[in-house]
Amino acid sequence: GAVVSQHPSWVICKSGTSVKIECRSLDFQATTMFWYRQFPKQSLMLMATSNEGSKATYEQGVEKDKFLINHASLTLSTLTVTSAHPEDSSFYICSAIEPPGSNQPQHFGDGTRLSIL
Amino acid sequence: QQQVKQSPQSLIVQKGGISIINCAYENTAFDYFPWYQQFPGKGPALLIAIRPDVSEKKEGRFTISFNKSAKQFSLHIMDSQPGDSATYFCAARKHGSRLTFGEGTQLTVNP
Repeated sequence: GAVVSQHPSWVICKSGTSVKIECRSLDFQATTMFWYRQFPKQSLMLMATSNEGSKATYEQGVEKDKFLINHASLTLSTLTVTSAHPEDSSFYICSAIEPPGSNQPQHFGDGTRLSIL
Repeated sequence: QQQVKQSPQSLIVQKGGISIINCAYENTAFDYFPWYQQFPGKGPALLIAIRPDVSEKKEGRFTISFNKSAKQFSLHIMDSQPGDSATYFCAARKHGSRLTFGEGTQLTVNP
């Protein structure tokens, strides 16, 4: 079945560091990918929609200069958390939607646990 | 218009029992209704999905029941197993748009 690979799965770094998270669709081309943030025992919160070859669309309240998204190819999107601070610690999950077809299922990566010290 | 309300928030079921999770939506433009299963520390995994032109879809022990007039859909897990213990999210989407998620249900299946 369709698989979305996310890397790294866990990052611990010092405050002020920039962290890059990669999201790859392994067996389909994804023109659209999504980045979510999830707090403990809560639902997924959409941060931004990433379209291949164009600028990402950010949800209200999400700082685009803090969370840089690049979707340079049909199988890769990256999220860079710039100058990370402890309040950015969270579980970040990417997602990719299958190409137009019957249902266009949306698949998720296994998430990245980001801990800022 | 974009809300999806999910209940219950948590559910405890005995092994072999039926787990039922319900969702209600408001936006009649939604045309795709998936359910996701999430284990701790993992991303959500697509479990089963339905379109509003059918009232029921079954895959193994998992069944979605869909009531278009009531704007409700539910997930039934038959013969629930301890390995089914996870958080379940319903979601809804209209064509070309993003998923709207329910709040999640934490299911515990006791041995």
